Amino acid sequence: QKEVEQDPGPLSVPEGAIVSLNCTYSNSAFQYFMWYRQYSRKGPELLMYTYSSGNKEDGRFTAQVDKSSKYISLFIRDSQPSDSATYLCASYAGGTSYGKLTFGQGTILTVHP
Amino acid sequence: EPEVTQTPSHQVTQMGQEVILRCVPISNHLYFYWYRQILGQKVEFLVSFYNNEISEKSEIFDDQFSVERPDGSNFTLKIRSTKLEDSAMYFCATPPTRGTDTQYFGPGTRLTVL
Repeated sequence: QKEVEQDPGPLSVPEGAIVSLNCTYSNSAFQYFMWYRQYSRKGPELLMYTYSSGNKEDGRFTAQVDKSSKYISLFIRDSQPSDSATYLCASYAGGTSYGKLTFGQGTILTVHP
Repeated sequence: EPEVTQTPSHQVTQMGQEVILRCVPISNHLYFYWYRQILGQKVEFLVSFYNNEISEKSEIFDDQFSVERPDGSNFTLKIRSTKLEDSAMYFCATPPTRGTDTQYFGPGTRLTVL
């Protein structure tokens, strides 16, 4: 079983739509959860970071973590064509796995005008 | 976002040759990580490096790979004898502060092995 699973899409939405991106994970030890955005052949760019369960909001982006169901979500409000990219979820446990990020496959998002 | 630079941006090499990929992370930082991403696949952890020692490595990081911090600022990943399957993007990453709650990634080095 893959530790972090993510639907690769592709996902295509019209400009202004609310986008929901999701991941599931299997490792109960994961406590830190991140979302990265990646453009083609570029480095992942950190969007959001959360610790344990709960919500975090930053502008048009909201990250949610539900540890009871091992479910991670990223919501993008008022999506823009510039949001078109691959979105990666990542997790790590801390402790002896300090800093070792485990990534999902990435979801390809296209926002069309 | 703090800057992490990597050189070269693209490296082409022949199979069996040695390559050295370089990363200049946030200065005075103790934690460094290398990841790789084969085209179309997920980002995979290679190795973490803390205070000039490897703290954790993945199964991918075999004897062909090594990491060093040769001069206190640059951070290098060496592949001794490259294989075709080593072709990938290689990213270094560091936390933004002395904590390790998050990681910022460099722009990557695209390695092509012919």
